[in-house]
Amino acid sequence: GAVVSQHPSWVICKSGTSVKIECRSLDFQATTMFWYRQFPKQSLMLMATSNEGSKATYEQGVEKDKFLINHASLTLSTLTVTSAHPEDSSFYICSALFRDYEQYFGPGTRLTVT
Amino acid sequence: GQNIDQPTEMTATEGAIVQINCTYQTSGFNGLFWYQQHAGEAPTFLSYNVLDGLEEKGRFSSFLSRSKGYSYLLLKELQMKDSASYLCAVVDSNYQLIWGAGTKLIIKP
Repeated sequence: GAVVSQHPSWVICKSGTSVKIECRSLDFQATTMFWYRQFPKQSLMLMATSNEGSKATYEQGVEKDKFLINHASLTLSTLTVTSAHPEDSSFYICSALFRDYEQYFGPGTRLTVT
Repeated sequence: GQNIDQPTEMTATEGAIVQINCTYQTSGFNGLFWYQQHAGEAPTFLSYNVLDGLEEKGRFSSFLSRSKGYSYLLLKELQMKDSASYLCAVVDSNYQLIWGAGTKLIIKP
């Protein structure tokens, strides 16, 4: 099946700093990518939909100035957590949409803010 | 390499029972998730198993055997709204999620 990668796989940063997470579709072009946040034993929470060449669409309650999304190419979307705080510590997962109906998930990025 | 296998598609009848299997080979094991995903929506958490055995939650049950690298999701009293994709995901030793490709479940009247 299709492969989606994320980098880094885990990151520890200090409070107040910014962290960039990359999501790449390795063997297909994805005009649409999704960013999720995973809390322990809970559903994936959709944060935003990233469309190549246009602004991301954020879900209600997600601060777009804090979680910056850039989908600059058909194989790369980035999520930047700005001015990170300990409550931003979580598991961030991206997915890429293939052929409009198949969704492939990345392995996730574990963010710890100290 | 790491691998999660689940059937691509299954069909069942309304009111019946269906079992969706998931087998895995991963580097380490820190739990297994089952999600339900309707088209165009985010996946919904169904269950999380980290110990062997069966966990029942209403019409849905999930089973895990770590020694066999095997899990199943059991859906009883199927309803039309259960038509969806069911995703199996394993947390490996690095706490990375390894995703199955999903099983598309079609419910017929």
